[in-house]
Amino acid sequence: DAGVIQSPRHEVTEMGQEVTLRCKPISGHNSLFWYRQTMMRGLELLIYFNNNVPIDDSGMPEDRFSAKMPNASFSTLKIQPSEPRDSAVYFCASSFGTSHTYEQYFGPGTRLTVT
Amino acid sequence: DAKTTQPTSMDCAEGRAANLPCNHSTISGNEYVYWYRQIHSQGPQYIIHGLKNNETNEMASLIITEDRKSSTLILPHATLRDTAVYYCIVRPPSGSARQLTFGSGTQLTVLP
Repeated sequence: DAGVIQSPRHEVTEMGQEVTLRCKPISGHNSLFWYRQTMMRGLELLIYFNNNVPIDDSGMPEDRFSAKMPNASFSTLKIQPSEPRDSAVYFCASSFGTSHTYEQYFGPGTRLTVT
Repeated sequence: DAKTTQPTSMDCAEGRAANLPCNHSTISGNEYVYWYRQIHSQGPQYIIHGLKNNETNEMASLIITEDRKSSTLILPHATLRDTAVYYCIVRPPSGSARQLTFGSGTQLTVLP
């Protein structure tokens, strides 16, 4: 099993540019989560999907952020336009099950730097 | 969610047991205790979880007090690779909110 795959691993962009982060969850998992991690705020949930449907996006900072999950094997997190304060490590995680087994498997993260 | 309190940092000698405490005095009866860790520059990794009985797996043991207001994660023989931030999280078993709320965690440093 390849685990959760994220791309790119590193992204450097200029303020105002569009950024798209990609995630491939573990095959068979039906929940997908996007997190953001900064030194100041720690690890924060941005949005999560269940069976490809967004369930809770209350953590999305503002309208510049959007996330999609067109199918069970792919999700994107888009920032348009990007700002320097968006610089962070973005993690994608997936899990399976409706019981108490909340074992979320995290990807390696995408380190985003907006200059 | 029940809030958790963990020490900011701890040291442990290599080969010794690492005991990481967590207080969750407001935990509800149906909430589970989860432990994750994050090694530098990697994504968080699931370790173990439990409700009220002690649990053990290949990575660690989880001891939950009888009143469930606190727990201890035990790494029986810590190695240098166990140096990481350890997060204690409490969550209900099901429902629409399946996210994990990460606090500040405990930075465990295993010393040679």
